[in-house]
Amino acid sequence: QVQLQESGPGLVKPSQTLSLTCTVSGGSISSTGHYWSWIRQHPGKGLEWIGYIYYTGNTYYHPSLRSRVTISVDTSKNHFSLTLSSVTAADTAVFYCARAREVGTTRTIDYWGQGTLVTVSS
Amino acid sequence: QSALTQPASVSGSPGQSITISCTGTSSDVGSYTYVSWYQQHPGKAPKLMIYDVSNRPSGVSDRFSGSKSGNTASLTISGLQADDEADYYCSSYTSSIYYVFGSGTKVIV
Repeated sequence: QVQLQESGPGLVKPSQTLSLTCTVSGGSISSTGHYWSWIRQHPGKGLEWIGYIYYTGNTYYHPSLRSRVTISVDTSKNHFSLTLSSVTAADTAVFYCARAREVGTTRTIDYWGQGTLVTVSS
Repeated sequence: QSALTQPASVSGSPGQSITISCTGTSSDVGSYTYVSWYQQHPGKAPKLMIYDVSNRPSGVSDRFSGSKSGNTASLTISGLQADDEADYYCSSYTSSIYYVFGSGTKVIV
């Protein structure tokens, strides 16, 4: 059973960079057909896909966030990371890391971390 | 690309069946058989309930079923139980944003 766990600061100052790491256990981050994702949920709101990375380092980002987002992967540590630059209060959200499974005729996000709340405030 | 459209809330009595709709466009729901549904209890992470329109992951009750017609996907919960009370989100894979989510539906039992 794959498990994902987010870690990182819960409070970030405006204009600074948000950084989170997701550690994967119970499976290899280098497995074929799995894309390692970041998704956020603003307080009381819906879900927003941020982007994902394949173990080869190929990245795919939401167009609206592309200029501020970087997702990286460290296969030796079985973890991947998110940085979001120039944050504002509008970036306050619960951030989830998750696994997208894209194999054959399947496209879905099947495993999620528990989520971590990041608040942007001075 | 806008979020997929879902009703804000759907209610039903225990034992009844309810259906949640998820309306997209020809660029997402209408073009792909890659619609998923998630259940989210307060303070918890989303849980995958249906993938690829109508497939259930192992361990998910067969009371949950999915379908799609044109640009609209649907999730049906039959034999409604108290623990089904939660928020439900649909999602569609797209060629541009990769994954777009619905606005969410609160199910009230």
